[in-house]
Amino acid sequence: GAVVSQHPSRVICKSGTSVKIECRSLDFQATTMFWYRQFPKKSLMLMATSNEGSKATYEQGVEKDKFLINHASLTLSTLTVTSAHPEDSSFYICSATDRGYTEAFFGQGTRLTVV
Amino acid sequence: SQQGEEDPQALSIQEGENATMNCSYKTSINNLQWYRQNSGRGLVHLILIRSNEREKHSGRLRVTLDTSKKSSSLLITASRAADTASYFCATVDIYNFNKFYFGSGTKLNVKP
Repeated sequence: GAVVSQHPSRVICKSGTSVKIECRSLDFQATTMFWYRQFPKKSLMLMATSNEGSKATYEQGVEKDKFLINHASLTLSTLTVTSAHPEDSSFYICSATDRGYTEAFFGQGTRLTVV
Repeated sequence: SQQGEEDPQALSIQEGENATMNCSYKTSINNLQWYRQNSGRGLVHLILIRSNEREKHSGRLRVTLDTSKKSSSLLITASRAADTASYFCATVDIYNFNKFYFGSGTKLNVKP
């Protein structure tokens, strides 16, 4: 299957700082990328959908100013967690689809710990 | 979860036994997919079934879909210890077909 690379895999940051997570599709053009958050032993919660060249669409309850998403090219989307708080600590996963939306390809996830 | 529930939440079986997981969803769908997640890792796509299909096979996997009941099941036959993982169903909404919503997941433990 197609490859989606997510970086970094782990990050620890101090409260109040911002953290950027990158999601790259390596061998296909991802017209749409998704960002999920997963709490321990829980399912994936869709945070936002980003389409290349346009503003991201956020799910209800997700703070746009807290979680900034940029999808500047067909192969790269970034999620920036701004003014991080300990409660933002979580596992963040990106996925990408091609134009057919038949399958989502997932990054390996980023474990964010805010101290 | 954003889309539906899976049951059981946890399943523990012996190697060689079959494992059945169920998924219910809320909206009209374009397709339903099953994914596997090893602990602390990303997800791996297992199988996709379209809304006009009722059953699909892939190796030791068998998926059924009942759109009238808004439910699906995943059967893993002759389970192996390496099948130990969490399994999620994901639906692609027919009206927002570019969104994937995940069920709550089933944590499968296959004992050797």
